[in-house]
Amino acid sequence: KQEVTQIPAALSVPEGENLVLNCSFTDSAIYNLQWFRQDPGKGLTSLLLIQSSQREQTSGRLNASLDKSSGRSTLYIAASQPGDSATYLCAVGDNTDKLIFGTGTRLQVFP
Amino acid sequence: DAGVIQSPRHEVTEMGQEVTLRCKPISGHDYLFWYRQTMMRGLELLIYFNNNVPIDDSGMPEDRFSAKMPNASFSTLKIQPSEPRDSAVYFCASSLFRGLTDTQYFGPGTRLTVL
Repeated sequence: KQEVTQIPAALSVPEGENLVLNCSFTDSAIYNLQWFRQDPGKGLTSLLLIQSSQREQTSGRLNASLDKSSGRSTLYIAASQPGDSATYLCAVGDNTDKLIFGTGTRLQVFP
Repeated sequence: DAGVIQSPRHEVTEMGQEVTLRCKPISGHDYLFWYRQTMMRGLELLIYFNNNVPIDDSGMPEDRFSAKMPNASFSTLKIQPSEPRDSAVYFCASSLFRGLTDTQYFGPGTRLTVL
């Protein structure tokens, strides 16, 4: 059974720092991996989707990498801003249409 | 497009009552997913549909839960009878083509409280 773990569970950093969020999964037979953002009281917003054949994806200040063999993905946020404060969730897709979500990292960026 | 629409946004009910949650997916999306989010268990997939047909309901916790999708623009998740442990935020999501290769778009969720 696929299990997805995110470390750290919470993170508080000053504005301007570069930071890395980690996601690990137990079964490397994944089809893709997605990173989502969730703001308090809101739904999830997709940030980046990495197919299993890809190593990384970039969008603005965000960069996500994928290492299937080691069962790891990282989300790199450059020059963090208070507006980046949210919970970040990673989710892996296997050969069905399902996504298995991690428990999330709650990020706070203070001015 | 208005995105995925869910109603109600908040629902407070008493144990034993029937609860119906509603979802309107993004027009043209072939897949619809129902999730439940709690502090203890995180985000769990309950059931998903492809072209209005239920594909996998293995995440539905008990027979008290049922979901329907009578047409491409509407789905319901029903709990009857409701119990306090059903309290959670329920999300509906949709995606355009095969769920694996397309991202899912989430609605704002329905926060359910069962007293």
